Amino acid sequence: SYVVTQPPSVSVAPGQTARITCGGNNIGTKSVHWYHQKPGQAPVLVIYNDSDRPAGIPERFSGSNSGNTATLTISRVEAGDEADYYCQVWDVSSDRAVFGGGTKLTVL
Amino acid sequence: QITLEESGPTLVKPTQTLTLTCTFSGISLSTSGVGVAWIRQPPGKALEWLTLIYWNDDKRYSPSLKSRLTIIRDTSKNQVVLTMTNMDPVDTATYYCAHLKHFSRAFDIWGQGTVVTVSS
Repeated sequence: SYVVTQPPSVSVAPGQTARITCGGNNIGTKSVHWYHQKPGQAPVLVIYNDSDRPAGIPERFSGSNSGNTATLTISRVEAGDEADYYCQVWDVSSDRAVFGGGTKLTVL
Repeated sequence: QITLEESGPTLVKPTQTLTLTCTFSGISLSTSGVGVAWIRQPPGKALEWLTLIYWNDDKRYSPSLKSRLTIIRDTSKNQVVLTMTNMDPVDTATYYCAHLKHFSRAFDIWGQGTVVTVSS
C-alpha cells in the first residue's frame, strides 16, 4: 500500500520561510493536499491539488509537487502558523485516502 | 455554507459496536460529485482515513478496517452513519466526518469531531 512520509518536526523563526515535505514513490503523479491542525481543533485544508489555495487561506501558503517529494511552503511565518501539518493523497491502487504522519511546525 | 456535525456515544465497551452519525447542511448527498468521509485520530497520533460514501451510494473503505466498517447515507435526513464492529481500546480516537471537495480528493470541510473512548 502507498505510504507518504513527513518529517516529525520543523522549526523556523518568525518571518522566515518554512518548508514541510511529503515523500512518496512518484508522488509527483498524484494530487497532494495539505492540512493544518491546531491543538484541540479539527484539521483545516490549506492547499489542495498540489498548489491551489482554498478561499481564506493566505497567499503565504503555497505548494509544489514533483518526483518523489511534495512540499508545503509557508512564507513569512507567523506565530499563529504553529500547528501540526498533514499531507494527504489518494492511492488509486487501493482506492483509499492516505495521510502522512504529520509534521509539527514550531515557530521559535 | 457547508457544516458537518458528528454525534454518538463517548464511551463504548470492548467488543461492542460503535455507531456515529454525521449530520450535515449546505450539501445534498443526492447531488452529483458530493462525498462524505470518516477520518479518525487517536490521541497524539496522526489522521487515519476510514471510509467514504459518494452521492451515487458508491462506498470506499480502508482495507485494514473494511471487515469492521459500514457506511450508509440517509438523504432525507442529510446524514451519514458509520458503524464499526468489535471495538477495541486501540480504536479510542477523535472521529471526524468531512466533506469531499468537488473535483478533488481533498477534504475541505470538517466537523468538530467526536471523542470516543473504548474501555470496560
